[in-house]
Amino acid sequence: SSELTQDPAVSVALGQTVRITCQGDSLRSYYATWYQQKPGQAPVLVIYGKNNRPSGIPDRFSGSNSGNTASLTITGAQAEDEADYYCNSRDSSGNHLVFGGGTKLTVL
Amino acid sequence: EVQLVESGGGLVQPGGSLRLSCAASGFTFSSYWMHWVRQAPGKGLVWVSHIDSDGSSTSYADSVKGRFTISRDNAKNTLYLQMKSLRAEDTAVYYCARDKGYYYDTSGGHWVMAFDIWGQGTKVTVSS
Repeated sequence: SSELTQDPAVSVALGQTVRITCQGDSLRSYYATWYQQKPGQAPVLVIYGKNNRPSGIPDRFSGSNSGNTASLTITGAQAEDEADYYCNSRDSSGNHLVFGGGTKLTVL
Repeated sequence: EVQLVESGGGLVQPGGSLRLSCAASGFTFSSYWMHWVRQAPGKGLVWVSHIDSDGSSTSYADSVKGRFTISRDNAKNTLYLQMKSLRAEDTAVYYCARDKGYYYDTSGGHWVMAFDIWGQGTKVTVSS
């Protein structure tokens, strides 16, 4: 079992706002990193650190953190945002890296 | 263009061995930590191993420790994963990923890490 917990599935209406969460004790010390993965493709980094977007990631993606919970928010979700989203951090010992179980986002 | 290209995957019998390679281009390979991440069919991402920039420090997930060995050849800009005593549960797509850098964000009071470049993956199937 993962030390980072994500809801398995979330849905959002086109153009609406959705929040995907990730919980884990290690998030009190380590920022969650967020990746988007579409079917048959490699993961893509979307958010890292406090709230940093790599070049090319739309500004509708944002990140936040509070206590042991990290959130990825998509403001004005688009059809192309339908994908699996994974959070990533270190485990509670700090020695190993872990991923959350992933959240499948459906855009209705 | 910054790129990672994995190779070496295939079908192997339980108990067998396989060596994966990840060829890097478009950046100074020797300056970056690197990782292997795998994904079993229909499942989520699982971190496998990391190696620091000069190969002097490595770490492994408990599930592969003692069976897998990560290494790199900075002269050839290539990352490797030697896999031995393979099991059915090692069946997965294996990705190599570049570590953007691990640092402490003093303003936020948290550590920062990220895998900013990923390869396309190579498929490993362990089956008789």
